[in-house]
Amino acid sequence: KQEVTQIPAALSVPEGENLVLNCSFTDSAIYNLQWFRQDPGKGLTSLLLIQSSQREQTSGRLNASLDKSSGRSTLYIAASQPGDSATYLCAGTGSNYQLIWGAGTKLIIKP
Amino acid sequence: EPEVTQTPSHQVTQMGQEVILRCVPISNHLYFYWYRQILGQKVEFLVSFYNNEISEKSEIFDDQFSVERPDGSNFTLKIRSTKLEDSAMYFCASNLGTATDTQYFGPGTRLTVL
Repeated sequence: KQEVTQIPAALSVPEGENLVLNCSFTDSAIYNLQWFRQDPGKGLTSLLLIQSSQREQTSGRLNASLDKSSGRSTLYIAASQPGDSATYLCAGTGSNYQLIWGAGTKLIIKP
Repeated sequence: EPEVTQTPSHQVTQMGQEVILRCVPISNHLYFYWYRQILGQKVEFLVSFYNNEISEKSEIFDDQFSVERPDGSNFTLKIRSTKLEDSAMYFCASNLGTATDTQYFGPGTRLTVL
């Protein structure tokens, strides 16, 4: 059964720092890996999707990597801003097309 | 830009009542999904729907849950007899239909069962 784990559960850093959020999964047979952002009490915004054949995707200050062999994905945020404060979730698409979710990393960027 | 919409944004109901949560997926999408997130917990898959039938469902999706696409645009989740533990945020999602496609999510419906 696919399990997705995110560490750390919470992270607080000063504005301007570069940071890395981690996601690990137990079953390498995933189709893709998505990173989402969730603001308190709000919906899920898709940030990046990495196909199983890809190693990374970039969007602006965000870069996501995928290493299927080690069961890991990272989300790199460059030059963090207070507006980046949110919970970041990773989710893997399994063989039956459903998303299996991590618990998220709550990120606080201090001005 | 096309988006998934959900109504209502917040639904309050009494235990034992039936509720219907509504979603309008992106118009050219073929696969539809319901997920839920109990406060403070992980997002959980409930059900996927394709070609007017359920493709997959989780253990959570028991006989009190049902889904329907009553017309060409709406996708609904019905909970027949709500329980306190059904209180959660319910998210609808859709995609073009392959496992490699991004799933696009609606803003969610917060269900509160009293």
